[in-house]
Amino acid sequence: NAGVTQTPKFQVLKTGQSMTLQCAQDMNHNSMYWYRQDPGMGLRLIYYSASEGTTDKGEVPNGYNVSRLNKREFSLRLESAAPSQTSVYFCASRPTGGETQYFGPGTRLLVL
Amino acid sequence: QKEVEQNSGPLSVPEGAIASLNCTYSDRGSQSFFWYRQYSGKSPELIMSIYSNGDKEDGRFTAQLNKASQYVSLLIRDSQPSDSATYLCAVVTGGTSYGKLTFGQGTILTVHP
Repeated sequence: NAGVTQTPKFQVLKTGQSMTLQCAQDMNHNSMYWYRQDPGMGLRLIYYSASEGTTDKGEVPNGYNVSRLNKREFSLRLESAAPSQTSVYFCASRPTGGETQYFGPGTRLLVL
Repeated sequence: QKEVEQNSGPLSVPEGAIASLNCTYSDRGSQSFFWYRQYSGKSPELIMSIYSNGDKEDGRFTAQLNKASQYVSLLIRDSQPSDSATYLCAVVTGGTSYGKLTFGQGTILTVHP
């Protein structure tokens, strides 16, 4: 039982490049979330998926898109990376009926 | 006003002391409150959840909730150097059933020997 996994662990992009951050969970959780964490800002919600086939915007969705590929996987795409998207990205999942979110190890993204 | 605010840090306490971490929130309808611990370079991990007014104890940790004052706190008794981390207060906000968490900015705690 790996919990929540994220790939890659670290990525460097040039401004304008695109990439997809991958997240998968093996806990059969319905809800999944993408956050970004910047120094002194806590975690801010980018997008979430309450269940397979649904996605909704969070607090800071601009510049991102998401796909809930199936119940296990929830990906985050940056179509044209900007230096302001330099951050640590965390994926989380939550079981139906529970409120505890379980976090992946994070992806550190640097946009030059 | 931020939806969830934590007391500004960093907080430094000697080993064996009580560390007190505070958090206020703006959504009066919030019902669920969490404290996460985050070691440097790691992901947040849940250490306490609280849903009712009063105190909830778990080992050296005590969470306190006062919904009238919109205030939640975390006390760490007999602080250890291994407690040195960033502590994040999180609140389920927005009145949805989707469990959206709003986080405070975090308080860095350092426990020195």
